[in-house]
Amino acid sequence: NAGVTQTPKFRVLKTGQSMTLLCAQDMNHEYMYWYRQDPGMGLRLIHYSVGEGTTAKGEVPDGYNVSRLKKQNFLLGLESAAPSQTSVYFCASKRGYTGELFFGEGSRLTVL
Amino acid sequence: QQPVQSPQAVILREGEDAVINCSSSKALYSVHWYRQKHGEAPVFLMILLKGGEQKGHEKISASFNEKKQQSSLYLTASQLSYSGTYFCGTEGSNFGNEKLTFGTGTRLTIIP
Repeated sequence: NAGVTQTPKFRVLKTGQSMTLLCAQDMNHEYMYWYRQDPGMGLRLIHYSVGEGTTAKGEVPDGYNVSRLKKQNFLLGLESAAPSQTSVYFCASKRGYTGELFFGEGSRLTVL
Repeated sequence: QQPVQSPQAVILREGEDAVINCSSSKALYSVHWYRQKHGEAPVFLMILLKGGEQKGHEKISASFNEKKQQSSLYLTASQLSYSGTYFCGTEGSNFGNEKLTFGTGTRLTIIP
């Protein structure tokens, strides 16, 4: 099993450009999350989803949008990238009966 | 709101013990513990649910005091492989509120 797969792994954007990060899981998990990780800030929750067709805001949702059209996919979009969005982004899905999160390998985004 | 972890960093000699603390200002339903090696994704260690149960995983164990909204992670007879950054994650008291929020992390360095 692939587990949680994030694409792309690396991306460089110019300020104002848009892009979408894709997270795919093959474990049939209901809950999925997007976090960003910055030095000294830990993992901060951007958006999350408790099932297909649902999304909810986390701690730092501004500047991001998400969609969960299919249960296995959770997309994170940046409509107009800003240098403050330079970060490592992690997607995770949650096994319901144990609560364990499975993380993807991360996507490193640089906004110039 | 992110839970607060302490200490921020600790250096131990192989074989020594460590305690990492996590506290929240909100009532908690569960506390998660994860370890992240440099350049890798976080990996699940354990989850503690409301009820104050202490859990163990080899020489790593944890406790959860729901009245104080605190959890502690205990690492005994530390090994070199324990090095990494430890994160606690918390979920609120309303079951179904699946917002999992992480602390800023504790960097643990084990030296021979």
